[in-house]
Amino acid sequence: DQQVKQNSPSLSVQEGRISILNCDYTNSMFDYFLWYKKYPAEGPTFLISISSIKDKNEDGRFTVFLNKSAKHLSLHIVPSQPGDSAVYFCAASEDNAGNMLTFGGGTRLMVKP
Amino acid sequence: GAGVSQTPSNKVTEKGKYVELRCDPISGHTALYWYRQSLGQGPEFLIYFQGTGAADDSGLPNDRFFAVRPEGSVSTLKIQRTERGDSAVYLCASSENGATNEKLFFGSGTQLSVL
Repeated sequence: DQQVKQNSPSLSVQEGRISILNCDYTNSMFDYFLWYKKYPAEGPTFLISISSIKDKNEDGRFTVFLNKSAKHLSLHIVPSQPGDSAVYFCAASEDNAGNMLTFGGGTRLMVKP
Repeated sequence: GAGVSQTPSNKVTEKGKYVELRCDPISGHTALYWYRQSLGQGPEFLIYFQGTGAADDSGLPNDRFFAVRPEGSVSTLKIQRTERGDSAVYLCASSENGATNEKLFFGSGTQLSVL
């Protein structure tokens, strides 16, 4: 069973608008959450993370929100740019599990000029 | 090198053959990870090395899969008697010392196709 789920396989937004990517998890032991971005033929690159003691983390145009009670997190990108077009993976890890990440299936974001 | 290097970038083999996939981590990184990404899915954990030893190999799917890191730097993932279901992108990542929540740096992966 998938412990981390991204229910939207794709998302299309207009340049300049907000992109919202969603992620749900089932394992209550997860306490650290990350978003990775992947371009074709490249490996995933780290984007932003959040610890379970926080409910929001912001880095420039990227903000991650965590709702622990709902076991839900989201990534907001504003304003969206064509260069943001990529596959975004949500990932989670448990305390004392080193860096063994559990990934979601990914959401392909397309930002139209 | 500047980043994690994986070779070959593509490998085509026949069912039943043996393959080796190589990963060269970022210089000085003691922690190394292998993940596998099947089409349309996210990466799945295979194995984690701290130095020369496999600290966690719970993700290896069966005994056809084996990985080594004899000198604590380069790692090789070995797959025996390949099956069509092994076709996937095999990703390697490294981090500085394996501390919890440390950033992972991924290579571009090896696309393995088993015919």
